[in-house]
Amino acid sequence: KNEVEQSPQNLTAQEGEFITINCSYSVGISALHWLQQHPGGGIVSLFMLSSGKKKHGRLIATINIQEKHSSLHITASHPRDSAVYICAVRADKLIFGTGTRLQVFP
Amino acid sequence: GAGVSQSPSNKVTEKGKDVELRCDPISGHTALYWYRQRLGQGLEFLIYFQGNSAPDKSGLPSDRFSAERTGESVSTLTIQRTQQEDSAVYLCASSSLTPYNEQFFGPGTRLTVL
Repeated sequence: KNEVEQSPQNLTAQEGEFITINCSYSVGISALHWLQQHPGGGIVSLFMLSSGKKKHGRLIATINIQEKHSSLHITASHPRDSAVYICAVRADKLIFGTGTRLQVFP
Repeated sequence: GAGVSQSPSNKVTEKGKDVELRCDPISGHTALYWYRQRLGQGLEFLIYFQGNSAPDKSGLPSDRFSAERTGESVSTLTIQRTQQEDSAVYLCASSSLTPYNEQFFGPGTRLTVL
C-alpha cells in the first residue's frame, strides 16, 4: 500500500462543475503540498499547508491532520484546469501520490 | 525574479554514456531537490541539499547517480553509464530557509536513453 493515496485516479468534468480531489496518507507529516502538472510537463506548486484551509482564486485546499486527509477543491472548473494534480507529503522526505488526471470539457 | 531553470531541456544519449544535468535555483533558496518522473509514473525523490549540511541521498537509485551543489547556487546531477531505464524527466526544485517551505519547480530535463 502506498503511503500517499489519491482519489480518483482519473476525473472528467463539464466546465463549471465543482471538483474535489482527495489525498490520504499513512505517515506523520509536517506539511502537505498540492502540485499541478500540465500536459507539457511543467509543475506548479499550488499549495503548501500544515493545518486548516487555504484559498487561491478558484482553488481551495483543506487538511485534517487527525484524519490524515487533504482535499483539493476547484470551483467553477474550466478547461484550462485540465492537468494532473499531485499530492505530496513532507515526512522524513517528500513522498508523492500518483496523481489525479483531471479533464474539464467545455 | 527568475524562477528555477534547468538545462538542457532535452537530452538524447546512447546507452552507456554519461550525462550531466544542471539546475539553477532561485537566488537565496538554501534548499534544492532533484526528482525523477518516468513516463506515466509519479514523481520520485532523488536527492536533497540544504545549505552546507550533508545532502540527503536516500532517493538515488544506484551508485551511477550522483549530484553536487556549489554553496547555495547551481547543482548538477550526473548519471554515469546511462541505461534505458534512466529515461525520464528530471525535475529540480528549490525552496527557502527550511525543507518545509514551498518548493518551486524548474521546467525539467527530458532525458532519453537509446
